[in-house]
Amino acid sequence: GAVVSQHPSWVICKSGTSVKIECRSLDFQATTMFWYRQFPKQSLMLMATSNEGSKATYEQGVEKDKFLINHASLTLSTLTVTSAHPEDSSFYICSALFYEQYFGPGTRLTVT
Amino acid sequence: TQLLEQSPQFLSIQEGENLTVYCNSSSVFSSLQWYRQEPGEGPVLLVTVVTGGEVKKLKRLTFQFGDARKDSSLHITAAQPGDTGLYLCAGPQMDSSYKLIFGSGTRLLVRP
Repeated sequence: GAVVSQHPSWVICKSGTSVKIECRSLDFQATTMFWYRQFPKQSLMLMATSNEGSKATYEQGVEKDKFLINHASLTLSTLTVTSAHPEDSSFYICSALFYEQYFGPGTRLTVT
Repeated sequence: TQLLEQSPQFLSIQEGENLTVYCNSSSVFSSLQWYRQEPGEGPVLLVTVVTGGEVKKLKRLTFQFGDARKDSSLHITAAQPGDTGLYLCAGPQMDSSYKLIFGSGTRLLVRP
């Protein structure tokens, strides 16, 4: 149990375009989900907390207008990277809170 | 600011050897967790330690939480190539127990 999926697993987009990443809790409901970013050979950095039915809260230094988060249902949170640039290329990981955090498999974003 | 420092950053050992990974902080944590992450995947929870001085064993892995709850260690006995991965410690943030701070990570390579 407690499985979290992400879609897509990898995506390549052109600079200036937007890309949406989905995070789903498959067998439980999660009012709270988290979005992390991980650069190569580095640790996970929390970007934002996604709360169902309310606005996301962003960590210091994360541009909320660039990384749009929508948590429209108890099983789905989406992260949209707007006007992507090569420096946004990274591994994005979500987690869903159900007594503890359960992590998705990650999405590799490459911006060309 | 709560920080978790891990050492070593990288470890390359031969199959069958023993190793210890350390996770240190100047802050007290109510609990610490250890994760293993394989390339292109999300982190997977190995263990949570809660009580100062606690020792937990998971097959060949032994986890210890420092008496003062500021540090933790992970010891692997007779490492196997399947143990290869990124080991991360994490602890709850002071201002929000649901948010996690991740350590800097230890990349382990076990050579056959």
